[in-house]
Amino acid sequence: NAGVTQTPKFQVLKTGQSMTLQCAQDMNHEYMSWYRQDPGMGLRLIHYSVGAGITDQGEVPNGYNVSRSTTEDFPLRLLSAAPSQTSVYFCASSQSPGQGGEKLFFGSGTQLSVL
Amino acid sequence: EDQVTQSPEALRLQEGESSSLNCSYTVSGLRGLFWYRQDPGKGPEFLFTLYSAGEEKEKERLKATLTKKESFLHITAPKPEDSATYLCAVLRADTGNQFYFGTGTSLTVIP
Repeated sequence: NAGVTQTPKFQVLKTGQSMTLQCAQDMNHEYMSWYRQDPGMGLRLIHYSVGAGITDQGEVPNGYNVSRSTTEDFPLRLLSAAPSQTSVYFCASSQSPGQGGEKLFFGSGTQLSVL
Repeated sequence: EDQVTQSPEALRLQEGESSSLNCSYTVSGLRGLFWYRQDPGKGPEFLFTLYSAGEEKEKERLKATLTKKESFLHITAPKPEDSATYLCAVLRADTGNQFYFGTGTSLTVIP
């Protein structure tokens, strides 16, 4: 079982470059989300989606875009990378929170460095 | 404002030395409190969900408890393989789709 798959595992960008972090899940989960993890800050929610065509902002959405065209995929786009976006990014999915399916399944993460 | 605070930040135990990790929360209308384990270089892995004060869940050497203000993760007779970072998260009833995580407790169990 693949679960939640993130690519790439590592990425180095220059300031101003754009890129897309990929996330796919094969569990037919309605809910998908993106977090960043920084030392001393814990996991912070960037964007989330409760189903195809529906997205919403989390705690730290600035500088990131998302879309959800299918149930399986939830890519995260960095529009113009900044050094402050250097972090480890995690994608997570679950059945719908609020309906008893709140257990999050996480991907293995993407370590991003912006120079 | 901080909604989830975990203590201590780091904990070193001798193998077999039981202890507890604390997660205090300030949200009103708690929908659920969650414990995850994270190993270095990996994503968090789900351990427990607690929904109401007085609830307890157990798994092997771990037991999670919940009060109206905090949760404890009790580790009984830990082994070196229990070394990891333990994360606490809450789901608020008013923002039912957003999880709020604490900064974690890094546990090291020395053989």
